[in-house]
Amino acid sequence: DIVMTQSPDSLAVSLGERATINCKSSQSLFYNYNKKDHLAWYQQKPGQPPKLLIYWASTRESGVSDRFSGSGTGTDFTLSISSLQAEDVAVYYCQHYYSKPYTFGQGTRLEIK
Amino acid sequence: EVQLVQSGAEVKEPGESLKISCRGSGYTFTTYWIAWVRQMPGKGLEWMGIIYPGNSDSTYSPSFQGQVSISVDKSISTAYLHWSSLRASDSAMYYCAKLGGDGGYFGPWGQGTLVTVSS
Repeated sequence: DIVMTQSPDSLAVSLGERATINCKSSQSLFYNYNKKDHLAWYQQKPGQPPKLLIYWASTRESGVSDRFSGSGTGTDFTLSISSLQAEDVAVYYCQHYYSKPYTFGQGTRLEIK
Repeated sequence: EVQLVQSGAEVKEPGESLKISCRGSGYTFTTYWIAWVRQMPGKGLEWMGIIYPGNSDSTYSPSFQGQVSISVDKSISTAYLHWSSLRASDSAMYYCAKLGGDGGYFGPWGQGTLVTVSS
């Protein structure tokens, strides 16, 4: 199985600043057949189900704020949140969908400093 | 609007069986994979398995193979997660999610079903 490792485990950022969350996979998630990285990011707020933010490593889901952006390729990926707002407090997960099982990272808890 | 609506919270005793449900609406249910995900209290997300409602083709995570079964009833656009004999360690929140049409990303998700197993 592919292992997904996020860093840091928790993060405190001031309002209006940028938050950066990293995700590393144990093997490349880039598939030659479609030239895409099979990586998604999710946001889970307390008491709510996860919400899809980013897929194909950098494609923003419809309706998601453009303050959220995804980057990276191969084995190293980043979720960036610009101009942090109070509503962004949540746990963020990366997930690969390169081969089953589609495992998740352990999650990164984002708080306001 | 695409929606997944899950059945309500359950409280069961160890050894009992249980089937929870996930009804899809707002899209063609038979042409998109459905996934089940476990979240134990205060913990992260665990991929349990997926099923294709069109032909009931399914794949399980090795961690859950033999522990649960996933099924669908196409006639009512509903997927199920079933336990034949619950354990206390099955206590968790369970989510269903629709997979993307072109990839294995999950969205949207159901609201979750809380399962509590206690004697």
